[in-house]
Amino acid sequence: DQQVKQNSPSLSVQEGRISILNCDYTNSMFDYFLWYKKYPAEGPTFLISISSIKDKNEDGRFTVFLNKSAKHLSLHIVPSQPGDSAVYFCAANGNNAGNMLTFGGGTRLMVKP
Amino acid sequence: DAGITQSPRYKITETGRQVTLMCHQTWSHSYMFWYRQDLGHGLRLIYYSAAADITDKGEVPDGYVVSRSKTENFPLTLESATRSQTSVYFCASKGQLPYEQYFGPGTRLTVT
Repeated sequence: DQQVKQNSPSLSVQEGRISILNCDYTNSMFDYFLWYKKYPAEGPTFLISISSIKDKNEDGRFTVFLNKSAKHLSLHIVPSQPGDSAVYFCAANGNNAGNMLTFGGGTRLMVKP
Repeated sequence: DAGITQSPRYKITETGRQVTLMCHQTWSHSYMFWYRQDLGHGLRLIYYSAAADITDKGEVPDGYVVSRSKTENFPLTLESATRSQTSVYFCASKGQLPYEQYFGPGTRLTVT
């Protein structure tokens, strides 16, 4: 049973427009949520995170929104650029002793010039 | 080189063979992790280690063995490879922040 789900395997957006990537979770004990970005033939790299005590975190063109009642978070990229084309993984940290992350299945974002 | 490295980057092996994937980090991070990436499943945790000589199972540990005799190294061994272990394997270590993990470049393993 997947505790973190990304229901859209792919998303295509025009350059300059907004990209919205979605993520749903089932475990109410998760207290940190993260987004990782992955280019082909490279490892994932950390992008942005949000604590469960907040509902929004912004870093330049990237904003993450958290809706705890809906167990839903989203990543907004504005404006989208061709270099943003990558696979984006949503992850959650349950403050467990092992510092483990639970990842979603990923969404492939394609930004068209 | 500073950071986290994995070797080999690509490996083709036959069913039943033993394979070891290497992971090395230069930060002296305590926590290290092994994930596999499969289409539709994202990244799934195989094993993790809290420190040298301390390891524990993750979500999908069957068929894998790990060891950690030194803080900087965390090898992953497939004792008898199966086709279902064809995947991309990522090693990661945890930095000072309470949630951030740094990933290696990955090893693409094909079992024929």
